Amino acid sequence: NAGVTQTPKFQVLKTGQSMTLQCAQDMNHNSMYWYRQDPGMGLRLIYYSASEGTTDKGEVPNGYNVSRLNKREFSLRLESAAPSQTSVYFCASSPTPGPNYGYTFGSGTRLTVV
Amino acid sequence: GDSVTQMEGPVTLSEEAFLTINCTYTATGYPSLFWYVQYPGEGLQLLLKATKADDKGSNKGFEATYRKETTSFHLEKGSVQVSDSAVYFCALSLNTGNQFYFGTGTSLTVIP
Repeated sequence: NAGVTQTPKFQVLKTGQSMTLQCAQDMNHNSMYWYRQDPGMGLRLIYYSASEGTTDKGEVPNGYNVSRLNKREFSLRLESAAPSQTSVYFCASSPTPGPNYGYTFGSGTRLTVV
Repeated sequence: GDSVTQMEGPVTLSEEAFLTINCTYTATGYPSLFWYVQYPGEGLQLLLKATKADDKGSNKGFEATYRKETTSFHLEKGSVQVSDSAVYFCALSLNTGNQFYFGTGTSLTVIP
């Protein structure tokens, strides 16, 4: 099925370890986004890429880096994981920058940092 | 700042009951308003949206009307089904921005 694919679905890290969350979309969308979802706080934007070759910070970028590898793929890297980064991470894409055409979300990566 | 406040859950209803999930917003300018739904183990899906005051969004029997005078966008459904069990998120976007502002989500469980 067409859509947004995230890997892995689950991950446990030790404090200080690094990892990269992968995201790929096959809808030829220009814009891609990374959100984190925490209990009682809704979803918060970490980084976004309005188009291939560009990335910008969102609301909560500290501790993360991103790479827009090509039009399809947008990865999120944690260089030195901290317990505060325990969360569910969602990747999303949209045809053009901005939410008004609606986003397509992946099914999420549940990350636990111990 | 810009934000969305939605009623806390969890909400438990019997099948065929009437559903209302309240959502109010604070925004500078003229936002667009959305309801997203998250089924267990899945990502968020757009349920409906409204882009200007007095617009009504509707989909799958759900409705919400953009009320500027009360800064609200309450989600309603006349007769819920077990398959409607999910988490519902209200969100707004500013037409000059690149992001949503999401509410905290309301969990709905419908029992037979």
